[in-house]
Amino acid sequence: NAGVTQTPKFQVLKTGQSMTLQCAQDMNHEYMSWYRQDPGMGLRLIHYSVGAGITDQGEVPNGYNVSRSTTEDFPLRLLSAAPSQTSVYFCASSLTGPYTTNEKLFFGSGTQLSVL
Amino acid sequence: ILNVEQSPQSLHVQEGDSTNFTCSFPSSNFYALHWYRWETAKSPEALFVMTLNGDEKKKGRISATLNTKEGYSYLYIKGSQPEDSATYLCAFNSGNTPLVFGKGTRLSVIA
Repeated sequence: NAGVTQTPKFQVLKTGQSMTLQCAQDMNHEYMSWYRQDPGMGLRLIHYSVGAGITDQGEVPNGYNVSRSTTEDFPLRLLSAAPSQTSVYFCASSLTGPYTTNEKLFFGSGTQLSVL
Repeated sequence: ILNVEQSPQSLHVQEGDSTNFTCSFPSSNFYALHWYRWETAKSPEALFVMTLNGDEKKKGRISATLNTKEGYSYLYIKGSQPEDSATYLCAFNSGNTPLVFGKGTRLSVIA
């Protein structure tokens, strides 16, 4: 099993450019999510999904778009990149979630994004 | 937004020392408490998921306790080794919101 595969590892964008961060899992997990990690902050939830066709906003959704057309894939789109979106992004999944579940999260390897 | 506090923010210990750190969370509406280890240049990996008041979990030299009535969990590392150097994250699940992460405790073990 590959687990959670996240690409790219590094990306540099110019302000106003758009891009998609890819996330795929092969564990048949219902729950998938995107977090961002900034210095001095905990992991903050951007968007999440409890199954194909279902997405919801997390704590910091502005400037990001998601869709979940299959169980395996959960891409994160930056519509018009801003310097405030410079961060490390993690995709994470679990068997069930996000509410009444005891399932642990499995994380991708992260994407370091810089917006100039 | 739920508040999850971890202390200390960072910690330096000598190899062989035992150490512990704290995660504080709201004592109402508790469902589960997670601990993750995050090594530099890697992704966070789950250590424990704890659900019951008084729960104790152990994995090798690392153990954790849970007090849901007062809203805290302790993570203990016995006989710290350089490979234990990492950031330790806790995350709180209230049962009606997604996981909320603390800012982490960064542990450095000096050989």
